[in-house]
Amino acid sequence: DADVTQTPRNRITKTGKRIMLECSQTKGHDRMYWYRQDPGLGLQLIYYSFDVKDINKGEISDGYSVSRQAQAKFSLSLESAIPNQTALYFCATSDPRTGDSNTQYFGPGTRLTVL
Amino acid sequence: GQNIDQPTEMTATEGAIVQINCTYQTSGFNGLFWYQQHAGEAPTFLSYNVLDGLEEKGRFSSFLSRSKGYSYLLLKELQMKDSASYLCAVHNQAGTALIFGKGTTLSVSS
Repeated sequence: DADVTQTPRNRITKTGKRIMLECSQTKGHDRMYWYRQDPGLGLQLIYYSFDVKDINKGEISDGYSVSRQAQAKFSLSLESAIPNQTALYFCATSDPRTGDSNTQYFGPGTRLTVL
Repeated sequence: GQNIDQPTEMTATEGAIVQINCTYQTSGFNGLFWYQQHAGEAPTFLSYNVLDGLEEKGRFSSFLSRSKGYSYLLLKELQMKDSASYLCAVHNQAGTALIFGKGTTLSVSS
C-alpha cells in the first residue's frame, strides 16, 4: 500500500463550487504539505503543517484553506473554485527526526479541473 | 529572496551521459534536493547534498558547490525510462519547506 494517498485522483467541478482534497499518510510523519503544479511553473507551496495545531501559509495560499484533522490527515479546501485553480495538486510529508534530511515524500496527486 | 534556475529542456541519446545544472540564490542554505518526476506522476526523491562535493548513487550522481550556489545532476548510461522532469529544490529561508525550481524536462531518444 502507498504511504501517502490522495483522494480523489481526478475531479471536474464548476466555478463557485466548494471542493475538498484529502491526503492521508501511514509514514508517521509530523510534517505535511500541499503543493500545486502548473505546466511550466513547477511546484508551488500552498500550505504546510508541522503538527495538528500548527498551520502555515505558503507562497500561494489565497483562495485555499486547510485542515489538519489528525497527524495522518491533511485536507485542502477550495471554498469557491475558479478556473485558474485548475492544476495538479500534490500532498507531501516529511519528518526531520527520521534521519533522511527532512526529505519530502509525495502522494500520487489530484488532477483538478474547474470549468 | 530565493531563486532557482535550471534549463527548461534537454535532449540526449540512450547510453549517453547528461548533466543537468541548477543555480540557486538563498539567504540561508540547508541542503539541496533533486527529484525525478515522470509526466502526470508524483515527484520521487533522487538525492540530497548539504556539503560540497559529489554524491554518487548508481547511475545518478549529484554535485554541490555552496560557494558558487551551484549543483548538477549527472545521469550516466541513459535509458529511455530516464525521460522525465528533474526538479532542483532548496529549503526556504525559515528552513520549513522546499522551494522548487521549474524543472528540466529530459527527453531520451534511441
